[in-house]
Amino acid sequence: GAGVSQTPSNKVTEKGKYVELRCDPISGHTALYWYRQSLGQGPEFLIYFQGTGAADDSGLPNDRFFAVRPEGSVSTLKIQRTERGDSAVYLCASSPGSPNQETQYFGPGTRLLVL
Amino acid sequence: GNSVTQMEGPVTLSEEAFLTINCTYTATGYPSLFWYVQYPGEGLQLLLKATKADDKGSNKGFEATYRKETTSFHLEKGSVQVSDSAVYFCALSEGNNDMRFGAGTRLTVKP
Repeated sequence: GAGVSQTPSNKVTEKGKYVELRCDPISGHTALYWYRQSLGQGPEFLIYFQGTGAADDSGLPNDRFFAVRPEGSVSTLKIQRTERGDSAVYLCASSPGSPNQETQYFGPGTRLLVL
Repeated sequence: GNSVTQMEGPVTLSEEAFLTINCTYTATGYPSLFWYVQYPGEGLQLLLKATKADDKGSNKGFEATYRKETTSFHLEKGSVQVSDSAVYFCALSEGNNDMRFGAGTRLTVKP
């Protein structure tokens, strides 16, 4: 079946602009996660949704970052007033969300470059 | 808080050599442990996992055993191939919460 998909695959923007990154999870997966991966580093947790609600947003670095999942499926990560330090690969993952179903399935990522 | 520390790379081996990539963790409870792999130009893929102490995860000739006494989950393979060249990430998760990743270890296997 289809895996996690993310669009766009690459995004180049200018400092100060607003960007939206989209994630389509595996059908039926209730849990959705956003991570940020900087060059040479492991993924860093940003936010976790269970259904429509953000169960844990403790990883969002500041209030310029916001994510939504209004219907419990597709999610959008929004970054306002982008800064050069926001340049990274943004990864989305989903999991079934049932107890003991912790394996997360990752999308290919969106590579964001802020000039 | 929960964290993972893994062996720094890069690691360069000849084909058919034995591989070990060390991983240790810190956790408040009883996490599940994972190894993910990222091949060049591709996304993260689950390689193997173990959900409780003494479990052994295995896949594609790779193995890792969940050692609670040493808080470790070292990745091993008896005979690596050129196609195993990738970045390997150790990770842990408790419940359905966020996954904590190590910094990754780049493996290059030469023919």
